[in-house]
Order: sequence, then C-alpha cells, then structure tokens
Amino acid sequence: DGGITQSPKYLFRKEGQNVTLSCEQNLNHDAMYWYRQDPGQGLRLIYYSQIVNDFQKGDIAEGYSVSREKKESFPLTVTSAQKNPTAFYLCASSVEVNTEAFFGQGTRLTVV
Amino acid sequence: GENVEQHPSTLSVQEGDSAVIKCTYSDSASNYFPWYKQELGKRPQLIIDIRSNVGEKKDQRIAVTLNKTAKHFSLHITETQPEDSAVYFCASAYQAGTALIFGKGTTLSVSS
Repeated sequence: DGGITQSPKYLFRKEGQNVTLSCEQNLNHDAMYWYRQDPGQGLRLIYYSQIVNDFQKGDIAEGYSVSREKKESFPLTVTSAQKNPTAFYLCASSVEVNTEAFFGQGTRLTVV
Repeated sequence: GENVEQHPSTLSVQEGDSAVIKCTYSDSASNYFPWYKQELGKRPQLIIDIRSNVGEKKDQRIAVTLNKTAKHFSLHITETQPEDSAVYFCASAYQAGTALIFGKGTTLSVSS
C-alpha cells in the first residue's frame, strides 16, 4: 500500500520539551515538505528537502529542525525555542519540487 | 519570496450555482499553480493544476484560469453540489525548484 504516513496522529507534550514528528513515504519521491496549518492561516512552509542530505528553510523555520538521511524519511523536531508549537502539522512529498504534492494525514501537536 | 493571496476567505452558494475563488501571486517567475481541496478532518488533495504555458484547464465541473500578466489565477466550480463543501487552497511554485507556497484558504459551503 503506497503512500505517505505521519505518526502519531495526536501528540501531547509539556512546554519546554523537544518533540519529533515522524513522516515516512514509500512513493519513491525525491522531495518532501513540512507545513504547519493553523485556523485561517492556510498551510505555511516550515522546511523542505529536494533530495537526501539536503534541506531548505521555509517561511517559518524558527524553532524547528529537520533531517533527511534517508529518501523515505523526513522527521521534524519541534524544539523548545518554538514559541507557539500547538498546531496541526502536515508532511507531504512529490516526485520533485514543482509537481503534485501528496499529503500525509497530519499530526496534531498540543503543548501544555 | 513568493506571496499568495486568496479571496474570498468564505463563500456560501446554493446548490447548482457556480463558485469562483481567486488567487494572486507576487513572483513573475512562478510557473506551477495547483488547487487543493481539504474536507473536514482529511488531508489536502489536488483537484486541478495548471502551468504557466497554459491559460485554462478544465476537468468536468472544475476549471482553472491563469492570467500571467495580472499574476492571478482562479478556480471555477460549476453546478455546485453539497459534497463540494470544503476548504480550497491555491498554491504557486517557481520553476527553479522551491516548495509550494499556499494561500490562506477559502471555506466553501454549498447548501441544498
């Protein structure tokens, strides 16, 4: 069954703790992305990666970090430096940038 | 960087009416313009896209038009149905290889 998988679906953390969101794809896509979705804000780009071992900051990268050690995986770490981390996070992948992006089901992160 | 503005933020129509959502982009180098539909609690999914070498594209009840001179593109839905109710996002991307930048979304409500 091909697709893009995010886990977990819901995640709760205490303020001040780092947390890592998982994103895995078996579509053999080169490009992967992380977006943050807040009500009325649309989808805001956090980081993206065009190829393994390479990634670029998006519009709201502060307080986040990523790695791309494997083609199929693009984990996102929300650090304690992110001032307002509670949000819905969407991972996506595409054959290459500038082509159709396929989204995962998202992870809803709540920091208390 | 690229900026995408989307209007209106909410749109209510009667079943059978047409709906039009408009987006403007800032960078004249952008050349890929997809539209995504996100139903409540689900992931965004591509419904139609257009590239800058094409002025219009249709797929059954859905069409997208592009005006490169004015830097705007629009989604047209004809004969709307209740199942068209969702949030619609426009996006744009450069040819040079950057991630999709999304508008803030339009919540479409179709009442029967």
